[in-house]
Amino acid sequence: DTAVSQTPKYLVTQMGNDKSIKCEQNLGHDTMYWYKQDSKKFLKIMFSYNNKELIINETVPNRFSPKSPDKAHLNLHINSLELGDSAVYFCASSPGTSGQETQYFGPGTRLLVL
Amino acid sequence: QKEVEQNSGPLSVPEGAIASLNCTYSDRGSQSFFWYRQYSGKSPELIMFIYSNGDKEDGRFTAQLNKASQYVSLLIRDSQPSDSATYLCAVNRGSNYKLTFGKGTLLTVNP
Repeated sequence: DTAVSQTPKYLVTQMGNDKSIKCEQNLGHDTMYWYKQDSKKFLKIMFSYNNKELIINETVPNRFSPKSPDKAHLNLHINSLELGDSAVYFCASSPGTSGQETQYFGPGTRLLVL
Repeated sequence: QKEVEQNSGPLSVPEGAIASLNCTYSDRGSQSFFWYRQYSGKSPELIMFIYSNGDKEDGRFTAQLNKASQYVSLLIRDSQPSDSATYLCAVNRGSNYKLTFGKGTLLTVNP
């Protein structure tokens, strides 16, 4: 039983294309996150949703648009892909928003923009 | 000043030794502290969390927190080759659910 799943696992695409990454959690958690991990392994939060509402929106280009159709799903759409978008994108979830809760990470989506 | 700082390593220890991983943070309002382990090509997984000053032990792992010095550490006793991974320190301000991660320390345990 996969707790947090992401599709696709790998994504290779050309500059300028638009792509989406999907995330689903079956843990019954209320809060979901998108992180970006760059080539130097630095993990940085991008967005967070609680019960389908955006609660964290870091300084991310507006080419990135998250969407949460329900609290078990959080998708990430990226327009006009750039070389610098190449990274591993992790989805995560946590039970709530107290800040003391463990975040559970998905397997990651490895995006390569050529 | 970076928000969460870790020595990037690599930290190399022999099998059976104690590995000591350190982390400092800049925000004095930080209240929750987490250590995640990330194997190469895999996702981060939680090792331990600590909220109060002092030590917290879980098996071979001990987390230590000193809020006055803004310092948190992770000790791994009887290190095993399977402990070889990148260890990420993460800090949360409490009411803010945003985790801020350090860049991680690469640990190598040599058989």
